[in-house]
Amino acid sequence: GAVVSQHPSRVICKSGTSVKIECRSLDFQATTMFWYRQFPKQSLMLMATSNEGSKATYEQGVEKDKFLINHASLTLSTLTVTSAHPEDSSFYICSAARPNYGYTFGSGTRLTVV
Amino acid sequence: AQSVTQPDIHITVSEGASLELRCNYSYGATPYLFWYVQSPGQGLQLLLKYFSGDTLVQGIKGFEAEFKRSQSSFNLRKPSVHWSDAAEYFCAVGPRQYNTDKLIFGTGTRLQVFP
Repeated sequence: GAVVSQHPSRVICKSGTSVKIECRSLDFQATTMFWYRQFPKQSLMLMATSNEGSKATYEQGVEKDKFLINHASLTLSTLTVTSAHPEDSSFYICSAARPNYGYTFGSGTRLTVV
Repeated sequence: AQSVTQPDIHITVSEGASLELRCNYSYGATPYLFWYVQSPGQGLQLLLKYFSGDTLVQGIKGFEAEFKRSQSSFNLRKPSVHWSDAAEYFCAVGPRQYNTDKLIFGTGTRLQVFP
């Protein structure tokens, strides 16, 4: 149990376009979902925390208008990178949390903006 | 301030050798403690976690970790490393109300295994 599906695993997009990344908890309801960004050979940087039905809480320095997060249900959260630029290229990982269990991570999305 | 320190950026061991990855934390109260492993281009897989009780925690893939409150440490160990253990390892701490607050990650330790 406790599987988090993240799609797509890889995406290449043109500069100026938007990209949506989905994060689904397949066999449990996630109270809270987290979105991370990871640069090569570095640790995870938390971008935002989202609770179902409410606005996401963004970490300091993260542009909320560029990284749109929607958590419409207890099993789905999406991250949309708007007007993507090459500097947005990175590895994005989602995590879903549920009571008395902890955190389950998705397999990540490699975004390349060309 | 809340923080997690993994002093070893890169560790190299021979296959079959024992392993210990260090983790120290700074936190206001006794946190939940986690160890995750990440293979290249992949997400994070939970190795083990400590919530309460026995301070020696057993995890998957033959890993264990010991919580030492007096040293604010949660070191990961494995008696005999396999080549497939080569990966990045992250220690993390979370609050008691872990389901509503964020994890704090260490900077990671990259493990390389030689045959």
